[in-house]
Amino acid sequence: QKEVEQNSGPLSVPEGAIASLNCTYSDRGSQSFFWYRQYSGKSPELIMSIYSNGDKEDGRFTAQLNKASQYVSLLIRDSQPSDSATYLCAVKWLNDKIIFGKGTRLHILP
Amino acid sequence: DAGITQSPRYKITETGRQVTLMCHQTWSHSYMFWYRQDLGHGLRLIYYSAAADITDKGEVSDGYVVSRSKTENFPLTLESATRSQTSVYFCASSDRDSTAYFGEGSWLTVV
Repeated sequence: QKEVEQNSGPLSVPEGAIASLNCTYSDRGSQSFFWYRQYSGKSPELIMSIYSNGDKEDGRFTAQLNKASQYVSLLIRDSQPSDSATYLCAVKWLNDKIIFGKGTRLHILP
Repeated sequence: DAGITQSPRYKITETGRQVTLMCHQTWSHSYMFWYRQDLGHGLRLIYYSAAADITDKGEVSDGYVVSRSKTENFPLTLESATRSQTSVYFCASSDRDSTAYFGEGSWLTVV
């Protein structure tokens, strides 16, 4: 059973600080990794995608991928109250199925 | 407008009834997916489709049926609804080299 694991949280971070979200996956053959944000009652929306080892930055967001450790993370700099949401890690397997972790609830403290 | 739409958005049905949730996308994406989302379980894959007339089971396919006669449509049918199928259902689509883009969800309650 291919799995994607996330800490469910809640993760509480003061406004202006860095939020760090982590995800591990079970299939070494996976090539594509995604972070989604989901507000309560809404559908998931894509924040970042990452395909190669290392860091990828987009504004206040940085995705980090380490395929050897089967680990992907998301850093949110200068956290804002509007960042309070559930963050979902997703992995595309070689058969093109996209499997999600259970999500981490992030709460930014004003 | 281009995008992915689901219908109905909200549905209440009785145990044992057949229910079909519709999904339509205008991007001509090859891949389409159905997920259900429940508290404590996250998004779980029900079925996915790589192209018209090609479908495959996901993690939680029992009690569900799908079809894909046209690239743009991917209906999900609950053949005999049960209370355990009360959930939020999300349809998504993607191209081979892209991630999945989601519809707004269908809230289904089985009473």
